[in-house]
Amino acid sequence: GAVVSQHPSWVICKSGTSVKIECRSLDFQATTMFWYRQFPKQSLMLMATSNEGSKATYEQGVEKDKFLINHASLTLSTLTVTSAHPEDSSFYICSARDLARQDEAQHFGDGTRLSIL
Amino acid sequence: GQNIDQPTEMTATEGAIVQINCTYQTSGFNGLFWYQQHAGEAPTFLSYNVLDGLEEKGRFSSFLSRSKGYSYLLLKELQMKDSASYLCAPTSGTYKYIFGTGTRLKVLA
Repeated sequence: GAVVSQHPSWVICKSGTSVKIECRSLDFQATTMFWYRQFPKQSLMLMATSNEGSKATYEQGVEKDKFLINHASLTLSTLTVTSAHPEDSSFYICSARDLARQDEAQHFGDGTRLSIL
Repeated sequence: GQNIDQPTEMTATEGAIVQINCTYQTSGFNGLFWYQQHAGEAPTFLSYNVLDGLEEKGRFSSFLSRSKGYSYLLLKELQMKDSASYLCAPTSGTYKYIFGTGTRLKVLA
């Protein structure tokens, strides 16, 4: 149980393109999902907390107009990297909390490797 | 604020025991997670400590001291597949994880 599907796994695109990444909880409902970014040989950096039906909460230094987050249902959050540039190339990972659980466990997707040329 | 400290890299031999330490300072504390992450993959859950003491799960054990702001992950009978990054993540009841830098463990034959 507690499977999170993240799509796509790999994206290669030209500079200036906007890229949408989906994060779905397959067998549970998630009012809260999280988006992380990870550069090579570094740890996961929390970008934002995605809340179903309301605006996302962004961490300090993360541009909300650059990284658009939509959490329109209890099983889907999307991250759109707008007008992506080479410096946005990174590994993006989402995670989700199970609404039915009281603990703080997060279930991670498999990540999306984004390469901007 | 939050401050989490782990060694950046460790090396150990197959079959050995290794202890990965994590010290933390957080504004509010609820519990602490350990995750394993292989390069290019998502983190996988290893352990969660809320109370002081040692939690054992097969080859992996995790210890927590709330008063000292200290945790460690103990890996026994190391295998080559244990080569990975190990991430310490204290939580403060807000459901957010703030990961430490992670410790890259290399297991040598």
